[in-house]
Amino acid sequence: QVQLQETGPGLVKPSETLSLTCNVTGYSISRGYYWGWIRQPPGKGLEWIGSMYHSGSNYYNPSLKSRVTISVDPSKNQFSLRLSSVIAADTAVYYCARSASRIFDSWGQGILVTVSS
Amino acid sequence: DIHMTQSPSSLSASVGDRVTITCRASQSISSNLNWYQQTPGKAPKLLIYGASSLQSGVPSRFSGSGSGTDFTLTISSLHPEDFGTYHCQQSYTTPYTFGQGTKLEIK
Repeated sequence: QVQLQETGPGLVKPSETLSLTCNVTGYSISRGYYWGWIRQPPGKGLEWIGSMYHSGSNYYNPSLKSRVTISVDPSKNQFSLRLSSVIAADTAVYYCARSASRIFDSWGQGILVTVSS
Repeated sequence: DIHMTQSPSSLSASVGDRVTITCRASQSISSNLNWYQQTPGKAPKLLIYGASSLQSGVPSRFSGSGSGTDFTLTISSLHPEDFGTYHCQQSYTTPYTFGQGTKLEIK
């Protein structure tokens, strides 16, 4: 059974870059599926950030596209999120997730990232 | 972007009750609607996909219906572990968008 686990710093300073990694076990990223990120600000709803296919094609939320990069490392069976020039409004729980046909069928447990000086 | 609106935003119910949650899309999304359950401190869990298909392992007391712009999630008889927040998500087009969530609490 596939399992996903987010890792990264829990505190990022304003204007810096948020970097998170999702380690995948129980399934090889190279076999297929899309791999993506979703976030949830405290007390608010879910927001899709972007998704990437194992071969490299990606889709980003236009509201974040200028600041977001999602990359996949099949050799480590992990994928990553970089969000540049962060502000307080980027404070959220960040989830990594697997999707097939745009349906998110497996999620990581989430990691809280706070943007503060 | 397609805007998803859930109602109610919160509701209180008792174990054994039948509960219905509604999700409305700002434009037609055919049957490209998915439901997730989120319990406190946990990641969302896929319940229903394609508006009415039950994800493997999900109890049959959960069901979904609808197409176009109006969708419903029904829990036929609430169990204690069903309390939490429910989210709908459209998978019709990017950016994929979610409803604001419906918090289901114990009465």
